[in-house]
Amino acid sequence: GAVVSQHPSWVICKSGTSVKIECRSLDFQATTMFWYRQFPKQSLMLMATSNEGSKATYEQGVEKDKFLINHASLTLSTLTVTSAHPEDSSFYICSAQGDSSEAFFGQGTRLTVV
Amino acid sequence: DAKTTQPNSMESNEEEPVHLPCNHSTISGTDYIHWYRQLPSQGPEYVIHGLTSNVNNRMASLAIAEDRKSSTLILHRATLRDAAVYYCIWDSWGKLQFGAGTQVVVTP
Repeated sequence: GAVVSQHPSWVICKSGTSVKIECRSLDFQATTMFWYRQFPKQSLMLMATSNEGSKATYEQGVEKDKFLINHASLTLSTLTVTSAHPEDSSFYICSAQGDSSEAFFGQGTRLTVV
Repeated sequence: DAKTTQPNSMESNEEEPVHLPCNHSTISGTDYIHWYRQLPSQGPEYVIHGLTSNVNNRMASLAIAEDRKSSTLILHRATLRDAAVYYCIWDSWGKLQFGAGTQVVVTP
């Protein structure tokens, strides 16, 4: 199947700093990418939908100025958590969708803010 | 919201079949039904999807009710590697909205 790669797999940062997470589709062009957040023992929560070359669409309650999304090419989307705080510590997961209705997920990024 | 209802957990013995039910009574006629599974600290893994007809692949089978208000994922012979949270999702304009899922426990 298609491969979606996230980088880094885990990151620890200090409170107040910003962290960038990359999501790449390695063997297909992803017209749409999605970003999710998952807290321990909970399900995935959709944060935003990212389309190449246009502004991301954020779900209700997700701060667009705090979670900056850039979808600069058909194979790369980035999520930047700005001014991170301990409550932003979570598992962040991206998915990429090409021409088919199947979405492929990255392996996730564990963010810990200290 | 794209709401689905699944049991919280199901337990099975190794090598036995597992039937995972899902209710999606508000699904529209053109929305696909997707199943994904997630192991701890990993991203979800695609299992199977379908629209109206039953579907089979190397991982599982998907039985879709005639009225499309429910479906059942069938793992024919559970192995220890099948222990995961299984999510039933229906596709709303390309967005996958995850519910709580079913934790599958496989006992040797």
